[in-house]
Amino acid sequence: DQQVKQNSPSLSVQEGRISILNCDYTNSMFDYFLWYKKYPAEGPTFLISISSIKDKNEDGRFTVFLNKSAKHLSLHIVPSQPGDSAVYFCAASEIQGAQKLVFGQGTRLTINP
Amino acid sequence: DSGVTQTPKHLITATGQRVTLRCSPRSGDLSVYWYQQSLDQGLQFLIQYYNGEERAKGNILERFSAQQFPDLHSELNLSSLELGDSALYFCASSVGGAVNIQYFGAGTRLSVL
Repeated sequence: DQQVKQNSPSLSVQEGRISILNCDYTNSMFDYFLWYKKYPAEGPTFLISISSIKDKNEDGRFTVFLNKSAKHLSLHIVPSQPGDSAVYFCAASEIQGAQKLVFGQGTRLTINP
Repeated sequence: DSGVTQTPKHLITATGQRVTLRCSPRSGDLSVYWYQQSLDQGLQFLIQYYNGEERAKGNILERFSAQQFPDLHSELNLSSLELGDSALYFCASSVGGAVNIQYFGAGTRLSVL
């Protein structure tokens, strides 16, 4: 039972354009969501997060949107840069109780010059 | 640099053997989490420790055990190793509380031959 799903295994975007990565979840108990970026041979690096009491959080070129009714979140990267090429993981957790992160399968983003 | 240190980076061993993976959390972080990433699966939560005590368990095999020491470093012990245990093992740490941002180490790549 996959509680967090990233349905696009890969995405290719032109440099300078917007990258939009999507994530769906099924567990309504999740109330904290995060995006991580991962390069080969490295651990996941925290990018941005959002609490369920908000619908948007922005940090520089990165914006995360949360649609609780649809159980959907997205990560927007504007403008996309070659260094953004990596695998992006969506993760979710419950603030109360066990705070384990439940990860999606990841989306490989490639930024083309 | 996330501030989370994992050793060793690589481990090659044979079936039936026992290994120990070590993790030093970020300074000030009381929670340590262990995750496994296999080739065909995303990051799967194994176990969490908070200030020396086990807080939550995921799909951790009985052959695997962990502990967190008074200096807050943690060790993951894997015994009676099987070929299917070959994976990347990540440690993460967090302060805990309402903002559950977990910072990951670079991982230990375990190869069981």
